[in-house]
Amino acid sequence: SYVLTQPPSVSVAPGQTARITCGGNNIGSKSVHWYQQKPGQAPVLVVYDDSDRPSGIPERFSGSNSGNTATLTISRVEAGDEADYYCQVWDSSSDHYVFGTGTKVTVL
Amino acid sequence: QVQLVQSGAEVKKPGASVKVSCKASGYTFTSYYMHWVRQAPGQGLEWMGIINPSGGSTSYAQKFQGRVTMTRDTSTSTVYMELSSLRSEDTAVYYCARGGPNVDYNWFDPWGQGTLVTVSS
Repeated sequence: SYVLTQPPSVSVAPGQTARITCGGNNIGSKSVHWYQQKPGQAPVLVVYDDSDRPSGIPERFSGSNSGNTATLTISRVEAGDEADYYCQVWDSSSDHYVFGTGTKVTVL
Repeated sequence: QVQLVQSGAEVKKPGASVKVSCKASGYTFTSYYMHWVRQAPGQGLEWMGIINPSGGSTSYAQKFQGRVTMTRDTSTSTVYMELSSLRSEDTAVYYCARGGPNVDYNWFDPWGQGTLVTVSS
């Protein structure tokens, strides 16, 4: 089955840039989506189709995808961005939807 | 606005079944796929399956084949997820999440508030 690997944690100071990676075999050929989940809450879509933002999501959230790595970038990090982040793809070979292992973002 | 409201928390004994509901509003129910995703305590997200509310067709993750059944009631815009032969490892928060109008839209937005299912003797 298709595996998506994320770093367990990322720490960043307020106002700086956080980059969260999502590794997978030839992930650049797939569409990658990203979710933010705060404690006790349901996940929220923050980026879809590699780099598009749903309405209401700040421009500070951006995404890219190439080769074997997709990246979610959070610019000008705020305390409210502290959360778990998950990447997700659809794997055509198994017709399964796959989530990454998740990354906890801590704002210092 | 699009809203998914799930049924309340459940406590079940091992070997029992649980049925969780997800009522949709704010859009045409039969025009969008619906997914179920679960999250064990302190763990990540796990996709369980998808249902097409229009015709009722389903596709389940291999891990849950034979134990999960997803259905829908178009008269009440509600989808259901039933999981049988429960074991302690099934203790988790279960989410419904709307998919797209077709399978090319393979992201989930929005999500229900989640339903905690606890399996304990």
